[in-house]
Amino acid sequence: SQTIHQWPATLVQPVGSPLSLECTVEGTSNPNLYWYRQAAGRGLQLLFYSVGIGQISSEVPQNLSASRPQDRQFILSSKKLLLSDSGFYLCAYGTVNDYGYTFGSGTRLTVV
Amino acid sequence: QQQVKQSPQSLIVQKGGIPIINCAYENTAFDYFPWYQQFPGKGPALLIAIRPDVSEKKEGRFTISFNKSAKQFSLHIMDSQPGDSATYFCAAPYSGGGADGLTFGKGTHLIIQP
Repeated sequence: SQTIHQWPATLVQPVGSPLSLECTVEGTSNPNLYWYRQAAGRGLQLLFYSVGIGQISSEVPQNLSASRPQDRQFILSSKKLLLSDSGFYLCAYGTVNDYGYTFGSGTRLTVV
Repeated sequence: QQQVKQSPQSLIVQKGGIPIINCAYENTAFDYFPWYQQFPGKGPALLIAIRPDVSEKKEGRFTISFNKSAKQFSLHIMDSQPGDSATYFCAAPYSGGGADGLTFGKGTHLIIQP
């Protein structure tokens, strides 16, 4: 069966520190992978998506970057966190023949 | 990227009532309209979806109604229960971008009072 793992669940980081959030998918190959950020009252904002290894597209300019070093691994990073990077980060995957998304359980990031 | 306009932002309904959440979309890459349900601290989970070769789809107490000419679709929850209290998101595929992208509405915070 297909599963998606996202960690850590919660993270408190000081301003200016680096960030690395990891997402892995099991039970499927060549999925489309997505990073979303959710802020209160603002819904789900698409940050990055990837259709294959090393292929990253950014939807909004920001202080974050993404990488896909392996087919089923998606990493969200920052070199220096800002207060405005606080939020709930969600990884999701969807395969070519599957119109729906499956979301991970999310990471609550608080930048202090 | 297209917009999906969702309303209302919040909704309080008595147990047994029928909350209705509405969404309007612009142009889509293809016809597929899902609804997601999210509980606090959890990721959204697919609740129900419609591919509009039909105007309505029902799964249990949840029904999607679709009006293609008006570019609108809505979620109805029959015999609502306190356990249905959650945030609900509608979504629509967007064209361009190079992937099967979904644009989400801003969400509706639903509270079902006992």
